Amino acid sequence: RKEVEQDPGPFNVPEGATVAFNCTYSNSASQSFFWYRQDCRKEPKLLMSVYSSGNEDGRFTAQLNRASQYISLLIRDSKLSDSATYLCAVNIVGNNDMRFGAGTRLTVKP
Amino acid sequence: NAGVTQTPKFQVLKTGQSMTLQCAQDMNHNSMYWYRQDPGMGLRLIYYSASEGTTDKGEVPNGYNVSRLNKREFSLRLESAAPSQTSVYFCASDSRGISSYNEQFFGPGTRLTVL
Repeated sequence: RKEVEQDPGPFNVPEGATVAFNCTYSNSASQSFFWYRQDCRKEPKLLMSVYSSGNEDGRFTAQLNRASQYISLLIRDSKLSDSATYLCAVNIVGNNDMRFGAGTRLTVKP
Repeated sequence: NAGVTQTPKFQVLKTGQSMTLQCAQDMNHNSMYWYRQDPGMGLRLIYYSASEGTTDKGEVPNGYNVSRLNKREFSLRLESAAPSQTSVYFCASDSRGISSYNEQFFGPGTRLTVL
């Protein structure tokens, strides 16, 4: 079993839709959680960190469920520009080994 | 402030050839990383350097060597390239050791094909 797993998608949604991605992790000692966005043929860029209490940044909401060992990303009112691959990442604070999921591909259509 | 830079952007090698991928960061980060990204596999850590003068193996180190030349630069060397090393290589850095928040910043990537 991979340490970090994501549904690869693709998710094809119309503009304005709400879409949610989940990411599960196997190491219960994981302490830092992130969502990265990666555009086609580009490098990953941090979208948002995921805090224990959950956090929101505009149309994006990230949540952490430690008991079930997953993190989620909710995108409301999808825009065409949200089309990208979304990678989750987890690691243990103090450990240099960040583990990434394989990514979930999102396409937002007019 | 260029962030993380990588050279070359593209490279084609024949099996058995060697090459070095260069990476530099200007954010004064202690930690630097080399990943490879393959379809369906996500990013996998090859080697990392927690600080100048130290390097450690990641998840997939076989066939690679690294050098942390100074705080800014971290190079990845393929001594004898194999087709299985065809991939996109990303260098990254973060401020681990300065704060507990360790967002990683990535370079633009090197697309390597080994024939």
